[in-house]
Amino acid sequence: GQQVMQIPQYQHVQEGEDFTTYCNSSTTLSNIQWYKQRPGGHPVFLIQLVKSGEVKKQKRLTFQFGEAKKNSSLHITATQTTDVGTYFCAGDNYGQNFVFGPGTRLSVLP
Amino acid sequence: GAVVSQHPSWVICKSGTSVKIECRSLDFQATTMFWYRQFPKQSLMLMATSNEGSKATYEQGVEKDKFLINHASLTLSTLTVTSAHPEDSSFYICSARRNDRGYEQYFGPGTRLTVT
Repeated sequence: GQQVMQIPQYQHVQEGEDFTTYCNSSTTLSNIQWYKQRPGGHPVFLIQLVKSGEVKKQKRLTFQFGEAKKNSSLHITATQTTDVGTYFCAGDNYGQNFVFGPGTRLSVLP
Repeated sequence: GAVVSQHPSWVICKSGTSVKIECRSLDFQATTMFWYRQFPKQSLMLMATSNEGSKATYEQGVEKDKFLINHASLTLSTLTVTSAHPEDSSFYICSARRNDRGYEQYFGPGTRLTVT
C-alpha cells in the first residue's frame, strides 16, 4: 500500500535558524497537504499542493511539490518559538488513500 | 469559521463497555468526515471515512463491528467503540471536509479514551 515518509523525525533549532522537513511518498499523489500540530493540540491545515513543481509561500513558510508528485518539502525561514510543533504531510492518492506521514517534531530554542 | 467539536474530550471506561464519541461540524456542512487514531508522539492513522447517509469505509485492519460509525446528518458523525479493551485506549480525532471546499480537513480537538 501507499507509504508516506518524512525526515527528519526530530529537529532542534536555535531561534532564527531555518528548518526544512521532507516528505516522500511511495506512489504518485494527486495532491499533498501539510498540517501542523502543536503540543497537546489537534492538527491544523496549512496548505494543499496539487500541481507538479508547485511552490507556495505563507509568510516564512515555503512549500514545494516535486515534479514527479511523489515528494514535497516545507521550509521555514528564521524560525520562531511559535513554530514549535509537529509538521505532518498527508498524501492523497487520487481518492484511494489519504495517508499521513509520521511527522517531523520541531523544537525551537530561544 | 470551520469549527469541529468532539464530545467527550476525555472518557474513562471499564473493559467490556461501549463508548460513543461525537464529532460535529458547528458552522458548516460536511458530507464526509474522517476518524483517526493517534498514539502518543505518533502520526494519525486513518480508521474510516464516514459518509452522510451511507455506510462508512473502513481502512484495512480496522474492525467495522468494533468501531461503529454513524453519519446521520451533515453535521454529525459518531464513533462507537464497542466492548472496549485496554488496547483501545488512545486519542481519537475526527475531521470534517467542508462541502463547499474540496480538500481541506478541519480537525476536532480529539477524545482521549482510557479503558481500564
